[in-house]
Amino acid sequence: ELKVEQNPLFLSMQEGKNYTIYCNYSTTSDRLYWYRQDPGKSLESLFVLLSNGAVKQEGRLMASLDTKARLSTLHITAAVHDLSATYFCAVDLPGNQFYFGTGTSLTVIP
Amino acid sequence: DTEVTQTPKHLVMGMTNKKSLKCEQHMGHRAMYWYKQKAKKPPELMFVYSYEKLSINESVPSRFSPECPNSSLLNLHLHALQPEDSALYLCASSQGVGAGWGTQYFGPGTRLTVL
Repeated sequence: ELKVEQNPLFLSMQEGKNYTIYCNYSTTSDRLYWYRQDPGKSLESLFVLLSNGAVKQEGRLMASLDTKARLSTLHITAAVHDLSATYFCAVDLPGNQFYFGTGTSLTVIP
Repeated sequence: DTEVTQTPKHLVMGMTNKKSLKCEQHMGHRAMYWYKQKAKKPPELMFVYSYEKLSINESVPSRFSPECPNSSLLNLHLHALQPEDSALYLCASSQGVGAGWGTQYFGPGTRLTVL
């Protein structure tokens, strides 16, 4: 069974700082997604990464994919309070398999 | 329109009740999904419909019964639930299932409490 692990599970960071969330998965895939979930709310799609070396950026968030290392990163630049949320990566496999990562709960403090 | 709607937003039911959750999308997506999410956990896939046919059933107990009346609607019928079934139930849709699921668009969810 595929394992999708995120690191760290909990992250508390100061406003203005940079940090990276890591998503490791245990089998080959070249399709990876990042979602954001605010407390008590639904999931919002952030990025879709569809090939090795793919990099996407939106505002203070940048996501990348290294399929050979089976690793995706979500980099946060100059964090602001509005980025506080839980972030999930998700991996899409052939044969109609889709797995969410364990999630990273991010709190940005003043 | 990139919206997935779900009703009701909140539902409280007893263990002997029968209720239904409803989901609707008008994006022309051909795949629709039901997920269950417990607090502070990732969503767990329950069912996938592709072109209105059930394509994935992740060993969900029979007290949960999905239905896809047409390409825009998805229902989840609930009967004789247990307190441990209390969770946030999320519906999602995507363009298709096959060569990758694609980006899934999630509805706001139904917060279910079973007494």
